[in-house]
Amino acid sequence: NAGVTQTPKFRVLKTGQSMTLLCAQDMNHEYMYWYRQDPGMGLRLIHYSVGEGTTAKGEVPDGYNVSRLKKQNFLLGLESAAPSQTSVYFCASSSTFGTGTSYEQYFGPGTRLTVT
Amino acid sequence: DAKTTQPNSMESNEEEPVHLPCNHSTISGTDYIHWYRQLPSQGPEYVIHGLTSNVNNRMASLAIAEDRKSSTLILHRATLRDAAVYYCIPPQGGSEKLVFGKGTKLTVNP
Repeated sequence: NAGVTQTPKFRVLKTGQSMTLLCAQDMNHEYMYWYRQDPGMGLRLIHYSVGEGTTAKGEVPDGYNVSRLKKQNFLLGLESAAPSQTSVYFCASSSTFGTGTSYEQYFGPGTRLTVT
Repeated sequence: DAKTTQPNSMESNEEEPVHLPCNHSTISGTDYIHWYRQLPSQGPEYVIHGLTSNVNNRMASLAIAEDRKSSTLILHRATLRDAAVYYCIPPQGGSEKLVFGKGTKLTVNP
C-alpha cells in the first residue's frame, strides 16, 4: 500500500496563477482532508470530504476550492494564487470521522508551495 | 475550540523515558484525547488516543488525569527516531477538526 500520496512535491507559482494539488489514497477511506501548515505553526484544516461527491469547508477555506469526484482522490485548487498561500499543504484520509471516535488520520508527505 | 498548553520544547537522552505533558483545562464533551507527532519534513502521524483511563500501544503510553484536564504522553525508551513535534489534540465535541496547536518539539540526544 502506498497510503496517501500527493502530487506535486514542490511548486513555485507567480501571484495570480492557478494550480491543482492532487491527493490519492489506496486505503478505501471514506473521509479526506486538506490542511495547510505555515512555518512554526500547527496544521489548519482547509476543506474536507465525508464521501465521494461531497465537500465541506474547514477552518481556512477562503481562496481554495476542492473536488472529490472519485473516492480515492481529493483535489485542492487555487484559482488565483496569493503570497499568503505560501505554505506546506498536507492531505489526509481516515476511515472514521470526528473526535468522538478513534480519529486516526493518515497523512501524505506534503506539497511545498511558494507564491511569489 | 478547546485550548491546550504544551511546553514549546523538551530534551531527552536516548533510551531514557520521556514524559510529554499537556494541559487541556477547557476540555468539553466526552470525546477522545488524541496525540499525533510530526517527524522532520513529514506529515503528522497518529500516536495514541484515550478517553478516561491510561492507554498503551506499541508506540507509547497515555496517562489521563481523573478530571481529564491534563494528559501525559510517555515514551518509555526514547530513540533518535522519536525526535519530532508532538501534538496533544483535545476533544472537540465530535468535531471533524483535529486542532493542531504548536506542539512540543522533542530533541533526543545520543
